[in-house]
Amino acid sequence: RKEVEQDPGPFNVPEGATVAFNCTYSNSASQSFFWYRQDCRKEPKLLMSVYSSGNEDGRFTAQLNRASQYISLLIRDSKLSDSATYLCVVTDPSNTGKLIFGQGTTLQVKP
Amino acid sequence: DADVTQTPRNRITKTGKRIMLECSQTKGHDRMYWYRQDPGLGLRLIYYSFDVKDINKGEISDGYSVSRQAQAKFSLSLESAIPNQTALYFCATSDVTDTQYFGPGTRLTVL
Repeated sequence: RKEVEQDPGPFNVPEGATVAFNCTYSNSASQSFFWYRQDCRKEPKLLMSVYSSGNEDGRFTAQLNRASQYISLLIRDSKLSDSATYLCVVTDPSNTGKLIFGQGTTLQVKP
Repeated sequence: DADVTQTPRNRITKTGKRIMLECSQTKGHDRMYWYRQDPGLGLRLIYYSFDVKDINKGEISDGYSVSRQAQAKFSLSLESAIPNQTALYFCATSDVTDTQYFGPGTRLTVL
C-alpha cells in the first residue's frame, strides 16, 4: 500500500465548477499535512497547509479527518488557471523534516 | 531572484558519464533535499541534509552521492549515469515548519 494515495485523474471540469480531491495516508502518526500545486514541468509550490479544524483560503478549502486518515481539497468556482497537478503531502512520522508525497491529481479546467 | 536555484536546467549525457547537479539557496535554511520525479511515481527522496555536517540517504540513494559544501549549497552527483536515471530532479529547502521550497528542476536525459 502506498503511504499517500491519490486518484491520479485527470479531472476535466468546466470553468466555474466545484471539484474535490481526496487523499488517504497510511501512517496515523503523521503530524503535518499539505497540499502542493505543480504546473506542467515546473516545481511544486505550497498551496496550503491542512489543519485539523479545516481551513480555507479564498476558493480553496482543505479538510483533515485524522480518524479516517483522509485529507481533502475543495476548489470552488474553478478558473482556467487552476489547471495543474495537486499533490497531497504528509510528514514522515519517523523523521521530522521529511515529507511523503502522493502521486498527484491532475485537474484540467475547460472554457 | 529565485530563492532556490539549480544548474544546469537541462542536461543530456551518455551512459557511464559522471554528472553533477548543483543547488543553491538564499533562504538561509539549514535543511536541503534532492528528489527525482518520474511519471506515475511522484516525487521520491534521494538524499537530504539537515545541516552542513549531516547527510542522510533517502529512499532511492543507490547510484547517487551528495555533497553539502556550505549551508547554501547542496550538490548531487551521478558517478556513472545510466538510462534509468533519466528523470526530472528537484532540489528543495525547508525551515522548521516543514514547508519545503523547491528549485525549478533539472531535466536529465541519459542516453
